Amino acid sequence: DTEVTQTPKHLVMGMTNKKSLKCEQHMGHRAMYWYKQKAKKPPELMFVYSYEKLSINESVPSRFSPECPNSSLLNLHLHALQPEDSALYLCASSDRSGTGGSDTQYFGPGTRLTVL
Amino acid sequence: GDSVTQMEGPVTLSEEAFLTINCTYTATGYPSLFWYVQYPGEGLQLLLKATKADDKGSNKGFEATYRKETTSFHLEKGSVQVSDSAVYFCALTEYGNKLVFGAGTILRVKS
Repeated sequence: DTEVTQTPKHLVMGMTNKKSLKCEQHMGHRAMYWYKQKAKKPPELMFVYSYEKLSINESVPSRFSPECPNSSLLNLHLHALQPEDSALYLCASSDRSGTGGSDTQYFGPGTRLTVL
Repeated sequence: GDSVTQMEGPVTLSEEAFLTINCTYTATGYPSLFWYVQYPGEGLQLLLKATKADDKGSNKGFEATYRKETTSFHLEKGSVQVSDSAVYFCALTEYGNKLVFGAGTILRVKS
């Protein structure tokens, strides 16, 4: 099973709202990722959690706040977003085997976010 | 730094035609190579991968061979279907947790 689930599928929010995106995997993977994807572009990495600790933040604005409550869950808290933040937000996970090899990332279906 | 270059699209083919989408890469070491597919309105699905030179990844009739001498990982399929219409991303990872994507190639298959 290589399933990553994301909720909600669609989200519309105003610029003053606070909302959260959720991601879950049950593959025993120890690395989880958030990506942002604009139309007709490849995904852009935002954050990486490795063994439940934030290991990479790609200079993402503080209005995006990630959280990893446990090894299976990853949240992205949203506050005071701008219309240009409208995009598809993708979660992914991979097995950090620690062997030095390159891990395969498995993606969820994404949350389509619209900021009004 | 590492980079991936894909052929520009859109690529438009008739059903049952042969497909090639070119992908070349630049990397300092020995990356793993991937093809991901994104159907309209969906997330990315892993299509196939190869982790070392001369490996061939294959899935659902698609194939790609890791060619270190030409730094390429071209995607091929012998007979495309309308259901193969999607965006295809070539990608690499060299040190585990950063995927470097190509720009993506839109494939349109006509019946």
